[in-house]
Amino acid sequence: NAGVTQTPKFRVLKTGQSMTLLCAQDMNHEYMYWYRQDPGMGLRLIHYSVGEGTTAKGEVPDGYNVSRLKKQNFLLGLESAAPSQTSVYFCASTPGQSPYEQYFGPGTRLTVT
Amino acid sequence: EDQVTQSPEALRLQEGESSSLNCSYTVSGLRGLFWYRQDPGKGPEFLFTLYSAGEEKEKERLKATLTKKESFLHITAPKPEDSATYLCAVRVSGAGSYQLTFGKGTKLSVIP
Repeated sequence: NAGVTQTPKFRVLKTGQSMTLLCAQDMNHEYMYWYRQDPGMGLRLIHYSVGEGTTAKGEVPDGYNVSRLKKQNFLLGLESAAPSQTSVYFCASTPGQSPYEQYFGPGTRLTVT
Repeated sequence: EDQVTQSPEALRLQEGESSSLNCSYTVSGLRGLFWYRQDPGKGPEFLFTLYSAGEEKEKERLKATLTKKESFLHITAPKPEDSATYLCAVRVSGAGSYQLTFGKGTKLSVIP
């Protein structure tokens, strides 16, 4: 099993550009999450999904949209990138029932200039 | 508001020098406390889950314990390969029970 994979690994955007980050998991997990990690801030939840076709807002959702059209994929979109969205983005998944530990992907480093 | 505080922010140990990392939490309705290890440039890797006060879990040189207000990650005779950032997170009951709240982490450096 590949576990949780993220595409791309690195990306540089200019202010106002748009992009989509892809997360894929092959563990048949129900729940998926998008986090951002900034120095001195810890991991913060952006959006999450408790199943195919459902999404919900986390702690810092502004400026992001998500979609979960297939159970194994969770997409994070930035419609108009801003320098404040420069961060490392992590996707995670969990079975949705015990055990509840989340399994993380390797991350995407995004820089917005 | 749920809060998770980790201390110290950074810790340097000599190889073989045992110590503990602290995670204190202020939450209503704890549904689990999680420890993760994060290496530079990588995603967090799951270590332990603790559910109730008095519970302990062990893995190699690591031992996690839980009280009603805090958790400790004890590192016995650490080796350089234990160097990493250790993250603590809590899952709480209620509407946000699908979510984890993370602390900022403790960066551990083990010197040969």
